[in-house]
Amino acid sequence: GAVVSQHPSRVICKSGTSVKIECRSLDFQATTMFWYRQFPKQSLMLMATSNEGSKATYEQGVEKDKFLINHASLTLSTLTVTSAHPEDSSFYICSAAKPNSGEKLFFGSGTQLSVL
Amino acid sequence: DQQVKQNSPSLSVQEGRISILNCDYTNSMFDYFLWYKKYPAEGPTFLISISSIKDKNEDGRFTVFLNKSAKHLSLHIVPSQPGDSAVYFCAATYSGNTGKLIFGQGTTLQVKP
Repeated sequence: GAVVSQHPSRVICKSGTSVKIECRSLDFQATTMFWYRQFPKQSLMLMATSNEGSKATYEQGVEKDKFLINHASLTLSTLTVTSAHPEDSSFYICSAAKPNSGEKLFFGSGTQLSVL
Repeated sequence: DQQVKQNSPSLSVQEGRISILNCDYTNSMFDYFLWYKKYPAEGPTFLISISSIKDKNEDGRFTVFLNKSAKHLSLHIVPSQPGDSAVYFCAATYSGNTGKLIFGQGTTLQVKP
């Protein structure tokens, strides 16, 4: 199967700092990547769609100025949580659609963010 | 508005028996459904999917059934193995909406040896 790499796997930071999470498609080019968030014992919620070379599309209720997404190449998308607060603590997961795989998404291993 | 619902938060079965995980949806536009398996602190891994033109899809020990009139799908695992213990998410989408998967809340399956 396709491989999507996400880094870091875990980060602990102080309130007010910014955190960058990287998502890479290792064996295919992804024009579109997706960022999800999962709170404990809840569903995965789509935050935004990252489009290579253009602006990300954010879901309703997601602050675009707080969650900065950059998709500078066909294999890399980054999510930066700016001025993180404790309520941003969550499990962030990226995913990518591999060409010719239909609607199936391949997910990264996730990043557990803890804001103190 | 929870468009995809997994009403059973947990399920426990004995090794070798059948596991049946259920999922209901409300949006009649959904025409493609997927099941993912997830371990703690890891990303979901794809298990099996089904298109709305079918009512059954089988892959080894895993079978997904779709009942469009009831807006219901289920995942059957038989025989269940201890390694199947994980959280199972069903997800739905519709044609042209690539990547925008709507997930259920997940069901934690425990398979006891």
